[in-house]
Amino acid sequence: QVQLQQSGTELVKPGSSLKLSCKASGYTFTDYAMQAVKQRPGQGLEWIGYILPWNGVTDYNQKFKGKATLTVDTSSNTAYMELSRLTSDDSAVYYCARSAGQLDWYFDFWGPGTMVTVSS
Amino acid sequence: DVQMTQSPSNLAASPGESVSINCKASKSISKYLAWYQQKPGKANKLLIYSGSTLQSGTPSRFSGSGSGTDFTLTIRNLEPEDFGLYYCQQHNEYPPTFGSGTKLEIK
Repeated sequence: QVQLQQSGTELVKPGSSLKLSCKASGYTFTDYAMQAVKQRPGQGLEWIGYILPWNGVTDYNQKFKGKATLTVDTSSNTAYMELSRLTSDDSAVYYCARSAGQLDWYFDFWGPGTMVTVSS
Repeated sequence: DVQMTQSPSNLAASPGESVSINCKASKSISKYLAWYQQKPGKANKLLIYSGSTLQSGTPSRFSGSGSGTDFTLTIRNLEPEDFGLYYCQQHNEYPPTFGSGTKLEIK
C-alpha cells in the first residue's frame, strides 16, 4: 500500500535552515509528482510546490520561492524539502502528498506531516 | 489565484443525520474540485475529486455536486468516524488552492 513517511518534529532557531524528508513506499516513486503543503496552527492548507521525481523539475508557489527547495533521491525513494531563513511565520505542519496522476493537481496520498516550531 | 470560500466554518450534527458543506470559487473551475478529510493523528484523506467522483475507498454516504463556482459535499447518515475537518481544493488551475475548512462536530 502507498505510504509516505515523514521526518519527525523539529524545534529550530530563527534564521536557521531545515531539511525535512518524505520517504515513499508502495508505488513507483518516479511515476508521480510529489507535492508539499503547509498548514499553520489552526489554519487552512497552503500549497508550496511540487517536484517531478523522474527529472527533478520543480515549481513553487510564488509565496514560497526562495523559502522552500524541493529535491529527491530516487535511490531511496525520498523527497526532501529545505526551508531557509526560518522565522516564526514558518512554524507549521508541513505535508508531503502524492499527485493523484503524474501531475494532477489533487493529491491522493498524504504523509502524516512534520511539525516545525521556530523559536529562540 | 482562485480563492476558495467554505461554509459553514463549524457544523454540529448527530450520528444518522445528513449534512452539507459548501465551497465557492472566486472564478469558474469547471468541475475540478476535490474534498479532503483531516483528522488528528491520521493522514489527510482524499474523498472526492472532479466534483463528484468518489476516490477508491470513500463510503457511498459521501457525495459531491456542483460545477462552475459552487460546490457541495453531502454526507448522509453520519457515522461517528465522519467527524473532523473537511477542506475543499480546486484542481482546475495552477496554483492549487484550498478552502479554509469546515469543522464537523458531534452534537
